[in-house]
Amino acid sequence: DAMVIQNPRYQVTQFGKPVTLSCSQTLNHNVMYWYQQKSSQAPKLLFHYYDKDFNNEADTPDNFQSRRPNTSFCFLDIRSPGLGDAAMYLCATSRSTGTRVFGPGTRLTVL
Amino acid sequence: GENVEQHPSTLSVQEGDSAVIKCTYSDSASNYFPWYKQELGKGPQLIIDIRSNVGEKKDQRIAVTLNKTAKHFSLHITETQPEDSAVYFCAATPISSGSARQLTFGSGTQLTVLP
Repeated sequence: DAMVIQNPRYQVTQFGKPVTLSCSQTLNHNVMYWYQQKSSQAPKLLFHYYDKDFNNEADTPDNFQSRRPNTSFCFLDIRSPGLGDAAMYLCATSRSTGTRVFGPGTRLTVL
Repeated sequence: GENVEQHPSTLSVQEGDSAVIKCTYSDSASNYFPWYKQELGKGPQLIIDIRSNVGEKKDQRIAVTLNKTAKHFSLHITETQPEDSAVYFCAATPISSGSARQLTFGSGTQLTVLP
């Protein structure tokens, strides 16, 4: 089945230790998104790639960066995680401005 | 920008009863309204969506209604089952805008179906 895959599902890191979350998709969608979701809140868009074009949200901290080496893969890099960065990180994809398909998420814990 | 309000924030119903979740939006340019179901520890899953040229859409036990004039849309779940328990998010977007970023979520409704 075509899908959005996120690895790992659970990630534990130490305060200030860089961490990378990965997302892959078999849907051949040209847009990939990264969202941050904290408990009991709606997902918050961090940035997205429209094809190769990177689009950062104005309020996304500089601590968060992303890479998209090819159509299928996208990475979220957190350079120096703080306690406030503990959250669920959701990857999503879409065909242009179409319906967004979400992955299962990665739960990040910062110790 | 778009603002989506969702009510109620929590909803408890008895198994077999109906559940209704309501959302209002502010931007008249919004023309696509998806609903997502998010189970604990999982990503949101699209359960139904509606475009602005349609007033109602139904898929088995779930239905969505849209009132463009009043700028509100609602999710209706009939014959609720315990597996319907989850957080439901409404969303709105001007899909024809050409911008991929503009999907505004409501704040979510925690639905609990009591057996």
